Amino acid sequence: DQQVKQNSPSLSVQEGRISILNCDYTNSMFDYFLWYKKYPAEGPTFLISISSIKDKNEDGRFTVFLNKSAKHLSLHIVPSQPGDSAVYFCAARGYNNNDMRFGAGTRLTVKP
Amino acid sequence: GAGVSQTPSNKVTEKGKYVELRCDPISGHTALYWYRQSLGQGPEFLIYFQGTGAADDSGLPNDRFFAVRPEGSVSTLKIQRTERGDSAVYLCASSLLGGGRDTQYFGPGTRLTVL
Repeated sequence: DQQVKQNSPSLSVQEGRISILNCDYTNSMFDYFLWYKKYPAEGPTFLISISSIKDKNEDGRFTVFLNKSAKHLSLHIVPSQPGDSAVYFCAARGYNNNDMRFGAGTRLTVKP
Repeated sequence: GAGVSQTPSNKVTEKGKYVELRCDPISGHTALYWYRQSLGQGPEFLIYFQGTGAADDSGLPNDRFFAVRPEGSVSTLKIQRTERGDSAVYLCASSLLGGGRDTQYFGPGTRLTVL
């Protein structure tokens, strides 16, 4: 069962503009959410996370927003840079869960 | 820096054969995870080690899959009687302590192809 869903397989934006990647989840027991970035032939790299007690977490150009009532989170990248082009995975886990549940990923392309 | 390493990077085998995939975690990390990523999908949890013991193996798809971590560091994922459906990228991750808030650091993966 797909407990974490990323419904957009790809996204293309112009350099300097905002990139918004979306993620939905179904399991209300999830209370910690993460975004990973993956380049070809490399493993996923941790980008940013958010706990369910918050609705926003910011780190430089990256901001994650969490809407618990809608079971929805989004990653905003602004301004987008060509080096941001990668596949972005949304992931979720419960407090005592050992496994992370990943979405299928969104391929972001930032055009110069 | 010394990140998570995995060997081999690619493995091609024939249906029915046995394969071993190796993971070297970050030094000092007590928690180690195996994931499987099929084409067009996100990583799927297989097993979690805390030290030498498999604390959670609920993600292993069947008894053809087995993993060990005898000294609490390097781990080997073993697949018996491989099937074409086992073809995927197998990812290993480690974290300092384990638990829900610990950041997992991933290796580059082993791409397994079963012909």
